[in-house]
Amino acid sequence: AQKVTQAQTEISVVEKEDVTLDCVYETRDTTYYLFWYKQPPSGELVFLIRRNSFDEQNEISGRYSWNFQKSTSSFNFTITASQVVDSAVYFCALINNNAGNMLTFGGGTRLMVKP
Amino acid sequence: DTEVTQTPKHLVMGMTNKKSLKCEQHMGHRAMYWYKQKAKKPPELMFVYSYEKLSINESVPSRFSPECPNSSLLNLHLHALQPEDSALYLCASSQGINTGELFFGEGSRLTVL
Repeated sequence: AQKVTQAQTEISVVEKEDVTLDCVYETRDTTYYLFWYKQPPSGELVFLIRRNSFDEQNEISGRYSWNFQKSTSSFNFTITASQVVDSAVYFCALINNNAGNMLTFGGGTRLMVKP
Repeated sequence: DTEVTQTPKHLVMGMTNKKSLKCEQHMGHRAMYWYKQKAKKPPELMFVYSYEKLSINESVPSRFSPECPNSSLLNLHLHALQPEDSALYLCASSQGINTGELFFGEGSRLTVL
């Protein structure tokens, strides 16, 4: 069975601080994909990134960066110089063949960025 | 603005009512999904349609009835719901069924009295 754990349920930071959201996953598959989604107060989940299990290169997109480490089964997400608009719930997710290729979500981390 | 449109945004219904939630996308996606999300929880998959055919039903009670009239539209018919069915219902679409890269609507917030 697969599982995604986001141990941080809520994080509060002050604008311009850096913040890292943790994600730990479990799967028996060797081929899988990891995702991060953002859910702002408006409700829709917004796709941020997909990373396959064979690509451990870190990725940077503007103020966002992702650190994938297979050795620790982690796929952490860092926001640099946080802004109020980053306030949202962030979900880490996993997809693999054993789950019928359906997404398994973590419990989510609510990030509050205060001005 | 999201490219997946859901209506209505809010719905209040009694336990004896029949109502429908609607979802539309014009991205040419061939897979469409219904998710249910309770407060402070992740989305839970309900149904998946692939090429307009129901491919996954996650043991959802029959009081929820999905329908995919064409490749752009997805409905969720509601009948005899319970108060515990109150939740945010999210529609999503994707290019294919295996990508994991889903495009979500803003959801329909349902309250069952």
